[in-house]
Amino acid sequence: QQQVKQSPQSLIVQKGGISIINCAYENTAFDYFPWYQQFPGKGPALLIAIRPDVSEKKEGRFTISFNKSAKQFSLHIMDSQPGDSATYFCAATGRGNEKLTFGTGTRLTIIP
Amino acid sequence: KAGVTQTPRYLIKTRGQQVTLSCSPISGHRSVSWYQQTPGQGLQFLFEYFSETQRNKGNFPGRFSGRQFSNSRSEMNVSTLELGDSALYLCASSFGPGSNTEAFFGQGTRLTVV
Repeated sequence: QQQVKQSPQSLIVQKGGISIINCAYENTAFDYFPWYQQFPGKGPALLIAIRPDVSEKKEGRFTISFNKSAKQFSLHIMDSQPGDSATYFCAATGRGNEKLTFGTGTRLTIIP
Repeated sequence: KAGVTQTPRYLIKTRGQQVTLSCSPISGHRSVSWYQQTPGQGLQFLFEYFSETQRNKGNFPGRFSGRQFSNSRSEMNVSTLELGDSALYLCASSFGPGSNTEAFFGQGTRLTVV
C-alpha cells in the first residue's frame, strides 16, 4: 500500500512538444505529492508539488494534474526543451508516514 | 542561502570496512532524511532525524545507522560493507516533520564497495 507506480519508464519527446508522466498511488493517507528532477551526477531537485485539495497546479511550463478519486497524478511539461532532458521522479508522503515514497523514475529525452 | 551539503562526494571502500557519510542541512532546517539510490531499487528511504531523534526508519539491516547532532548536521554509518551497498546516498533536509514540508536534496555521496 506504500507504493507509487510511475510510467512510462522512458520517454522521448520532440522539442516543443508536451511531455506527460503519470503516477498512481494506493495509500489514501498520502496528502502531499512532489515531483523531482534529477540530472546525472546530481541529487534530485524539487520541481513542483501539489496537495489533494486542488486538481491542478501550474508553475511556468510545468503543470501537475491531480485526480483524487482515481488516486492518480501526472506531470505535464509544455514546450519541452532539450534542457528538460533528465530523470523525473514522482513522490508521495502523508501524515503518520512522513518519509517520501518515490516512483521508479522516468528518463525523459527531448530531441531537436 | 547554502543548499544541503554532503561529504565526501565519492568514496571507494573494501568489503567488510565501515564508512561514515556526513550531511549538513539548509540553515534553519531541523529534519534530515537519508535515502539510498540504486539503478535496481530506485530511491529507498533509510531513516529520518529530527531534533537528534530518529523518527522513522526504512527497511534496511542494522548495519545502517545514523545520528543527528544538536546543530542538525547528520551522519550515517554503514558497517561491514557489502558489494550491494554500492549506491548513491542522498540526504534531504526540511524544516520539520510532517507532510507538506518541502524536502531538498544534496548532491549525494557515491559509495563504491569493491
